[in-house]
Amino acid sequence: EVVLTQSPGALSLSPGERATLSCRASQSVDSGYLAWYQQKPGQAPRLLIYDASTRATGIPDRFSGRGSGADFILTISRLEPEDIAVYFCQQYGSSPPLTFGGGTKVQIK
Amino acid sequence: QVHLVQSGAEVKEPGASVRLSCKASGYTFGNSYIHWLRQGPEQGLEWMGAVTPSDGTTIYAQKFQGRISVSRDTSTSTVYMDLSSLRSEDTAVYYCARDGVGTTFISYFDSWGQGTLVTVSS
Repeated sequence: EVVLTQSPGALSLSPGERATLSCRASQSVDSGYLAWYQQKPGQAPRLLIYDASTRATGIPDRFSGRGSGADFILTISRLEPEDIAVYFCQQYGSSPPLTFGGGTKVQIK
Repeated sequence: QVHLVQSGAEVKEPGASVRLSCKASGYTFGNSYIHWLRQGPEQGLEWMGAVTPSDGTTIYAQKFQGRISVSRDTSTSTVYMDLSSLRSEDTAVYYCARDGVGTTFISYFDSWGQGTLVTVSS
């Protein structure tokens, strides 16, 4: 089973600042098959990024993903108040179980 | 527009079983696998299993083998998840989600149901 470790656990930034979220896998994720989700309180997760760097439909271009092997990054280039949420990474590069990271909570100062 | 609408909250006693439903609309039901996941306070997000709507083939996480059964009704575009021998640790919000690739069990999830809270308590 691939274990995903996200850091930091929480992030507090001012509007307009850049947020950098990390997701590290316990082994290389085949073909960069890594996704990022945003979850706001009381809501289901929403797909932001798949295949490490492809934005899902309707996702603003201030969200970007990069990485390969075992290290992946989600960047929010200019933080907006509506970006307050918990962000999860998920790998699908190896056979089930599909696994998620523990999440990074993004807050606005 | 893809919609996955889940059944309502459940309260169960330890040892009981629960059946949750997920009704899909806005796309061709048979073209995309449907997964079940859960989110508990301690366990975070966990993938539980999935079904192929076209022929009913299922795959389950080893953790839930023997306790979980996922099925589908193509006439109503509905997927069901049965979980038995419930214990307090099964208290969580359960989600159905559509396979983003479509026809693989190894995928991301591009649409999610609203979630169903299952509480296991005596």
